[in-house]
Amino acid sequence: AQTVTQSQPEMSVQEAETVTLSCTYDTSENNYYLFWYKQPPSRQMILVIRQEAYKQQNATENRFSVNFQKAAKSFSLKISDSQLGDTAMYFCAFMNPRVSYQLTFGKGTKLSVIP
Amino acid sequence: GAVVSQHPSRVICKSGTSVKIECRSLDFQATTMFWYRQFPKKSLMLMATSNEGSKATYEQGVEKDKFLINHASLTLSTLTVTSAHPEDSSFYICSAPSMAGHTEAFFGQGTRLTVV
Repeated sequence: AQTVTQSQPEMSVQEAETVTLSCTYDTSENNYYLFWYKQPPSRQMILVIRQEAYKQQNATENRFSVNFQKAAKSFSLKISDSQLGDTAMYFCAFMNPRVSYQLTFGKGTKLSVIP
Repeated sequence: GAVVSQHPSRVICKSGTSVKIECRSLDFQATTMFWYRQFPKKSLMLMATSNEGSKATYEQGVEKDKFLINHASLTLSTLTVTSAHPEDSSFYICSAPSMAGHTEAFFGQGTRLTVV
């Protein structure tokens, strides 16, 4: 079974600064996908970024980038130029394509962007 | 992008009654959908996997007779909370993987259930 660990229950960052959210996971699979989801107060789950395990290059999406370390089973999210709209819960998630593509979520990190 | 619509967004019901929550994929077919439960300030816990045309697969500890799942078509899955009790009050979210390689999940807006 897969496990996803987010060790930072809460974090804060000044507007326009950079913040990194940590995520580690445990799996015996070699092929899998990793995600960061954002859940704002509306509680709608929004995909932030996705990483395929077989790709060595770190995924980037505008101000969001990841540091994917497969051997260390680490998948951190870096948010650059933080904006007030980035305030939300952030969930790291693991997807095993061999198990019906279901997601396993970490406990989440509550990020607050301070003006 | 693909859209998953969940209805209702909020529902209040009396103890002992049943509540049905719908999850629809609006612009793609979903042979599989997932139902999650989220407690306040907690993560999403997978309750069950809904399979079109066959029985749902429930996670350990989830009562299948209490949480009835029906996936009657390629675009609709329903979760019925039967004989609801206050402890069933929670936020329920559905999701469906994309058709293109199933490597992305699209989420419904969620349903806040309050049992009084």
